[in-house]
Amino acid sequence: GESVGLHLPTLSVQEGDNSIINCAYSNSASDYFIWYKQESGKGPQFIIDIRSNMDKRQGQRVTVLLNKTVKHLSLQIAATQPGDSAVYFCAENIQGGSEKLVFGKGMKLTVNP
Amino acid sequence: NAGVMQNPRHLVRRRGQEARLRCSPMKGHSHVYWYRQLPEEGLKFMVYLQKENIIDESGMPKERFSAEFPKEGPSILRIQQVVRGDSAAYFCASSSGQPNQPQHFGDGTRLSIL
Repeated sequence: GESVGLHLPTLSVQEGDNSIINCAYSNSASDYFIWYKQESGKGPQFIIDIRSNMDKRQGQRVTVLLNKTVKHLSLQIAATQPGDSAVYFCAENIQGGSEKLVFGKGMKLTVNP
Repeated sequence: NAGVMQNPRHLVRRRGQEARLRCSPMKGHSHVYWYRQLPEEGLKFMVYLQKENIIDESGMPKERFSAEFPKEGPSILRIQQVVRGDSAAYFCASSSGQPNQPQHFGDGTRLSIL
């Protein structure tokens, strides 16, 4: 299940289950969003992105949903595998602005075999 | 390796010394970004550079920190007179600068201050 403690929120799932990771973003002017996966000791790895003129985008085993009304972003991972275990961050950006990414808190996904 | 390259991967400094972190962007990218990450936290933006220009340094501490991206060679993040609070992972990202193109990250430099 999902828990929020003193450190990173954690989501534990069984191998083969679908995972949903949620993110609330802060700036209503943000118009470009990216999901990154970060494994221990490594840098963030690009997973999928979405522009604000879309509400859904699909990749390989991943789907991103964007709800601008409530400023909410989610990442769905189908048939989760042990290799999906990592920390997942959403990031928002204002195109035409300074181009800096603003990262969310992060969610640690643990996939149990 | 066509990805973003950072070195060193690990850097240990004593308080008061200088730290220099290097970043070579992905091939074809001319926009470089530096971020800092504390344990169990997200990345925090520090500075955005293009060749020979600092575009946005709104996340840089006012003192001791500087960054450059010269015409030739890697981007450098320099921290002078380091203190214990500078201990963190420092990540560099690069992009093409085109709209709706993601930033791609290196594997970071872990800076430890003794």
